[in-house]
Amino acid sequence: EVQLLESGGGLVQPGGSLRLSCSASGFTFSSYVMSWVRQAPGKSLEWVSGISGSGAGTYYADSVKGRFTISRDNSKNTLYLQMNSLRAEDTATYYCANSGELYNHYDYWGQGTLVTVSS
Amino acid sequence: DIVMTQSPDSLAVSLGERATINCKSSQSVFYSSNNKNYLAWYQQQPGQPPKLLLYWASTRESGVPDRFSGSGSGTDFTLTINGLQAEDVAVYYCQQYYDSPLTFGPGTKVDIK
Repeated sequence: EVQLLESGGGLVQPGGSLRLSCSASGFTFSSYVMSWVRQAPGKSLEWVSGISGSGAGTYYADSVKGRFTISRDNSKNTLYLQMNSLRAEDTATYYCANSGELYNHYDYWGQGTLVTVSS
Repeated sequence: DIVMTQSPDSLAVSLGERATINCKSSQSVFYSSNNKNYLAWYQQQPGQPPKLLLYWASTRESGVPDRFSGSGSGTDFTLTINGLQAEDVAVYYCQQYYDSPLTFGPGTKVDIK
């Protein structure tokens, strides 16, 4: 059974940093593109960042480019999102999701972790 | 960016009746080289993460009941729920994966009348 479990969310002040993790199981982690998708309270879904199976390719939405860094550790089956210079508009539930390719639908989603940026 | 729009914003349907949700993309998401529409539908039940229902516009994900069906091509797509069940109360999102950034529609909320 595929499982994706996010952690690391919480309350942070504007300008602060946070690192999210997503622990994966039930599939060959290194064979899948992994992505972060966020959902602001009461809003739709927004793709944030993606990373190739090897980790060599990383991709970002314009809204987070230069502030967020995606990475993965295939030996630990874990995906990360380092978030710096956080803004109020980054407040959202962050989901990790897997897909067979970069341009593909998301097969599975984690339960999400809430990030709140507020003073 | 490809902008996805959905209609209606919300709808209420009686149990056992049909629900129809429309999705429109600002440019075609049909890739002629493989004859596929790069369009997916997700269901998000209250307090839950999204769940994949359909991909390639009309292919049902494993385990998804056959009352869910998808149609359309190019820029116009439809999700149909035939015989609405209580557990279908949710927000439904379309998503294009034709081009980066992958984008989602604003969602359509389905309730029981």
